[in-house]
Amino acid sequence: QVQLQESGPGPVKPSETLSLTCSVSGDSISNSNYYWDWIRQPPGKGLEWIGNIYYSGDTHYNPSLKSRLSISVDTSKNQFSLTLTSVTAADTAMYYCVRRFGSWPDYFDHWGQGILVTVSS
Amino acid sequence: DIQMTQSPSSLSASVGDRVTITCRASQNIATYLNWYQQKPGKAPNLLIYAASSWHSGVPSRFSGSGSGTDFTLTISGLQPEDFATYYCQQSYSSPPTFGQGTRLDIK
Repeated sequence: QVQLQESGPGPVKPSETLSLTCSVSGDSISNSNYYWDWIRQPPGKGLEWIGNIYYSGDTHYNPSLKSRLSISVDTSKNQFSLTLTSVTAADTAMYYCVRRFGSWPDYFDHWGQGILVTVSS
Repeated sequence: DIQMTQSPSSLSASVGDRVTITCRASQNIATYLNWYQQKPGKAPNLLIYAASSWHSGVPSRFSGSGSGTDFTLTISGLQPEDFATYYCQQSYSSPPTFGQGTRLDIK
């Protein structure tokens, strides 16, 4: 069974860099049917797509975050990672890593449990 | 970006009721529409994809319909475990976007 698990260092200070890693089990991150996405949810609010990566390294980013965002993949570890620079309080959210079926139909079918990232001085 | 608008934002219902949640897209998205259920403190779960197809393991009391700009999620015969927040999401164009959510509470 497919499982995704987010990990990260904890609270982040404003203007610093947020780094998260997603470890995938039960599927190969090199499975050509899927993209590997990040989605976030501020406390009490809705869902925002951040971006994704294909096993080849091809990335797609939300234009609203593109200037601060980088997503990478490590196929040898079956992991993918997110880096978001110059964070502010607006980046405080639950961050989910998600498997996305990338062909028609296109949907998010497996989600990690999420990791809460708080940006605070 | 394509805007997704759900209505109502919240509703109260009783076990056994039939409820309908509506999702409207700001432009034609054909049937590139998915529905998710989220319970408090948990990640969302996929219910319906491509507007009307059940994801594996989803009970048949959940059904989706629509195409173009207007979509509905119907739950027939509410069960206690169905009280949650529901989100629609378009996969027609990037970035994928979600509705603001519909919170379903017990009356």
